[in-house]
Amino acid sequence: DAKTTQPNSMESNEEEPVHLPCNHSTISGTDYIHWYRQLPSQGPEYVIHGLTSNVNNRMASLAIAEDRKSSTLILHRATLRDAAVYYCILRDVVTGGFKTIFGAGTRLFVKA
Amino acid sequence: DAGVTQSPTHLIKTRGQQVTLRCSPKSGHDTVSWYQQALGQGPQFIFQYYEEEERQRGNFPDRFSGHQFPNYSSELNVNALLLGDSALYLCASSSPLAGGPGNNEQFFGPGTRLTVL
Repeated sequence: DAKTTQPNSMESNEEEPVHLPCNHSTISGTDYIHWYRQLPSQGPEYVIHGLTSNVNNRMASLAIAEDRKSSTLILHRATLRDAAVYYCILRDVVTGGFKTIFGAGTRLFVKA
Repeated sequence: DAGVTQSPTHLIKTRGQQVTLRCSPKSGHDTVSWYQQALGQGPQFIFQYYEEEERQRGNFPDRFSGHQFPNYSSELNVNALLLGDSALYLCASSSPLAGGPGNNEQFFGPGTRLTVL
């Protein structure tokens, strides 16, 4: 399984944009990039996913490098409720089966 | 619409005992995955059930077993409990028909906190 590397923690001010980086230098052509987040005392929740093109949804934006070896999750205006652990995950839906491999993630702290 | 539910919320067992955890998937979902999350770590994939069969398994010993029922609910059984089995056990449900290409978004329950003494 291709691996991802994320910073252990990041800090942001409330109502400012947050850019959460993820490196995945061994990504394969069939790997989709997924982001999940885990709020305190809750199970993980889906945030966004993409393959090659940048993606936007109501929660966040996903910017994918042209060579796909890295990606960035963008929260446009951080709120206190966005304080969570963010996981960047690669899922090979063609050859990797159905398991989802989580790393340690990035713990995001949001200051008021 | 109820999301993924798990029971019990908390559980305390002693070494050597056996435990059964239960999961009801989100309405319309037919696939259930189980994860173990130790304190301060990301969730680790245990196995996935689809059509009442184990479809894929992570790196967990045979002490960990599961079952899926015709209504898609699932159980995780752990035998001969070890201290190291203390963790948050998460259940996630999904549907291969939802979410578009490459998604198969998983919906997680709140988990069962298992403490082994």
